[in-house]
Formats: sequence, C-alpha cells, structure tokens
Amino acid sequence: QKEVEQNSGPLSVPEGAIASLNCTYSDRGSQSFFWYRQYSGKSPELIMFIYSNGDKEDGRFTAQLNKASQYVSLLIRDSQPSDSATYLCAVNIKGTGRRALTFGSGTRLQVQP
Amino acid sequence: DGGITQSPKYLFRKEGQNVTLSCEQNLNHDAMYWYRQDPGQGLRLIYYSQIVNDFQKGDIAEGYSVSREKKESFPLTVTSAQKNPTAFYLCASSTTGTAGEQYFGPGTRLTVT
Repeated sequence: QKEVEQNSGPLSVPEGAIASLNCTYSDRGSQSFFWYRQYSGKSPELIMFIYSNGDKEDGRFTAQLNKASQYVSLLIRDSQPSDSATYLCAVNIKGTGRRALTFGSGTRLQVQP
Repeated sequence: DGGITQSPKYLFRKEGQNVTLSCEQNLNHDAMYWYRQDPGQGLRLIYYSQIVNDFQKGDIAEGYSVSREKKESFPLTVTSAQKNPTAFYLCASSTTGTAGEQYFGPGTRLTVT
C-alpha cells in the first residue's frame, strides 16, 4: 500500500461546478496535511494546509480532514478553467521518523469552459 | 523579494558527467529539501536538511550528494552513479517547526544523454 494515495484522474468538471479531490494516507499517526497545485511544467504551489479534523476554508478552497478514516479532501467551488492543474496531496507521515513530506502522485483536474 | 531560486532552469549533460544543481533561499528557513519528479509522477524525496552542516537521505538518495555549509544554500550533485538522472528537480524550504508548509523553487529540468 502506498503511503499517500490519490486517483490520478483526469477529473473533468464543468466551469462553475464543485471539484472534489481525495487523498488517503496509511499512517494513522500523521499530523499535518497539505494540498499543492502544480501547473504543467511548473513547480508546486502550496494552496492549503490542515492539521485538525474538520473543514478549513480559504476563498473557493475547502480542505476536509477525517483522521479516523485517514482521508483528506480538497473542494474547489465555482471551478474555473484556470484551476486546471495537477493537485498533489502531501502528508507528514509520522511513521517514517523524519520531518519531511510524503507526496501522492497527484490528481489531474480539467475544468471545461 | 523573498523566495527560492534554482539555477539553471534547463541543464543538459552527457552521460558520465557529474552535475551540480543550485538552490538558494532568502526566507530564513532552517529546513531545505530536494525532490525529483518524473513525468506523470509525484515528488520523491532525495535529501533533506534541518540545519546547517547536517542532512539526511530521503527515499532515493543513491547517486546523489548534497552539502549544507550555509543556511541559505543547499546544492545537489547528480553523480555519474545515478542510473536515470533525467528528471525535473525541485528544491523546497520550510521552517523547522513543521515538516510542511514547504515552498518550492521554480525547478531545474535536467536532461542527460
């Protein structure tokens, strides 16, 4: 089992819809969770982080964390074509004993105009 | 402007040559990281450093070496021992309080032929 798993997609949504991106992780003791956006050919950009169970909202983005079920999700409301990118989930996996992130392979999002 | 710089953006080398990728940050971050990304893949950790004069291997350290003589700088050398060096190399930094909230440089795309 991979430590951080994401559906590779592509996830295709129409403009204005809600895009829902999901990520599961293997280590129940993990404490911190991050979402990065990566446009093709560019470096990742941090868009959200969450440490506590529940929802965290920032503009059109909402991160949701459920530690009991070991998943974290990212909702993008009112999706725009400019949101088309690969979204990387990253987790500080406690069991590795190191203070570094483990990344999923990313979900490619396509927002159709 | 605060940020992370990587140079060069594109790098071409012949097989059998060592090459050093530059990473500099002026964010006053203690921790720095090197990742490798292959097409359609997530990020894999090569090396990381939490403090000057100290660094740890990540998941794919074989064929790579690093140094951390200054807080601002974390150069990565890709040696001839690295079997498949062609990839997109990303440098990141963060405060040491968390492993996350990493901020990435623009990346160096290395091609070895």
